[in-house]
Amino acid sequence: AAGVIQSPRHLIKEKRETATLKCYPIPRHDTVYWYQQGPGQDPQFLISFYEKMQSDKGSIPDRFSAQQFSDYHSELNMSSLELGDSALYFCASSMPTGGTDTQYFGPGTRLTVL
Amino acid sequence: QKEVEQDPGPLSVPEGAIVSLNCTYSNSAFQYFMWYRQYSRKGPELLMYTYSSGNKEDGRFTAQVDKSSKYISLFIRDSQPSDSATYLCAIEYNQGGKLIFGQGTELSVKP
Repeated sequence: AAGVIQSPRHLIKEKRETATLKCYPIPRHDTVYWYQQGPGQDPQFLISFYEKMQSDKGSIPDRFSAQQFSDYHSELNMSSLELGDSALYFCASSMPTGGTDTQYFGPGTRLTVL
Repeated sequence: QKEVEQDPGPLSVPEGAIVSLNCTYSNSAFQYFMWYRQYSRKGPELLMYTYSSGNKEDGRFTAQVDKSSKYISLFIRDSQPSDSATYLCAIEYNQGGKLIFGQGTELSVKP
C-alpha cells in the first residue's frame, strides 16, 4: 500500500539558511499535518491543511510557512534556521471517514542545523 | 501542565511478559484516543484507536479508556522482542484535528 512520502530524508543546513521540506500524502488523502519531534521529545503539531486551505495552526514559528498544492502535496518552508530547529519533521495525511480521521505518518525528514 | 502525560520509562521486561502502558489527560472533552508505536528513526505507526470509553482488543494488544478518571492504557500480552519500541499515546484534539502526544514510553523486551 502507498504510504506518505517525505523528501528529503536528511538535510543539513547552516544557521540562518533556508530549508524546504516536501510531503506527498497517500493518494486520495486530502488533509496534511506537519509535526516537529525534537530529540527525546514527543511530536509537536505545527500546522495542517485541508483541501489546500490551512485548517489549524500550532506552535509553528513565524519563520516557518507551509502550503498545500493542487495535487495535495505540501511543503514546509523554514527560513533563518536556528540550532534549535534541528529535529525530525513528520508529515501525516488523512482522509475524512465519518469517525476519527486516522493520521498516517511519513518516515520523516531529519533536519540538522549546524 | 501538558494536556497528555505519559511516563517516559524506559521500561524493560522479559519476553512473554504482560506490558502495561498508561497515560493521563486533562480535558474531559477529548473523545478519540490513539496509541502509536515508533521505532527508532521512523515515523509513528498507528496501533489502535478508541472512541470514548471502553476496551478495544486487537490480537495481543488491548486499549482501554476510562473517561471518569481521564486514564488511557495499552496492554501488550505475550510481549516479543519485536515489540521493543517507543509507544506514544495520542489524543485527537477534535474530529479530524491535530494530535496531542504524550512523551512516549520506551519499551525494551528482552529475549
